[in-house]
Amino acid sequence: GAGVSQSPSNKVTEKGKDVELRCDPISGHTALYWYRQRLGQGLEFLIYFQGNSAPDKSGLPSDRFSAERTGESVSTLTIQRTQQEDSAVYLCASSPRALSSYEQYFGPGTRLTVT
Amino acid sequence: GQNIDQPTEMTATEGAIVQINCTYQTSGFNGLFWYQQHAGEAPTFLSYNVLDGLEEKGRFSSFLSRSKGYSYLLLKELQMKDSASYLCAVDFNKFYFGSGTKLNVKP
Repeated sequence: GAGVSQSPSNKVTEKGKDVELRCDPISGHTALYWYRQRLGQGLEFLIYFQGNSAPDKSGLPSDRFSAERTGESVSTLTIQRTQQEDSAVYLCASSPRALSSYEQYFGPGTRLTVT
Repeated sequence: GQNIDQPTEMTATEGAIVQINCTYQTSGFNGLFWYQQHAGEAPTFLSYNVLDGLEEKGRFSSFLSRSKGYSYLLLKELQMKDSASYLCAVDFNKFYFGSGTKLNVKP
């Protein structure tokens, strides 16, 4: 079946604007994860969903960041009033369940550039 | 984070063996992942260690020692396509990734 998909693949926005990033996980995967990766750096964990619930939102960098998931499927990461420091690749991953033994399958990412 | 440290960059020769270390200053985690990430691409899963010891998967093996606070990824019979970044991640239900080790494989 299809893998994890993300849209848009690239997004250029002006500082201060809001952006929405979308993730479509693998069908049937109940766990969904969001990460941020700045250029040349490792992955920064943002948030995960088990079903439509996010048990822990403490990884979100600021209150400008929010995420939701509906229908145990698509998830949206919203960044309000974008800042230049938000420029990064935002990666989404899914796994069959939010248990540690399950491998995460990553999408291709959305490259966000804030000018 | 959980103070996860990896060497920034390593270089090795095609056909050789290379060991990429990952040290961490934490305990009580579920397990430790290794991922491979080619430039401009998403990470792909390599291994997951729960118990101490060596797990072998073809040319790649991963080792974990909880008591000594480190893991390593061992790549044998290096190929040019192994040039990539290798990320270790500690699993606390949240996942904390190291900054990755960029491996350059030379002919």
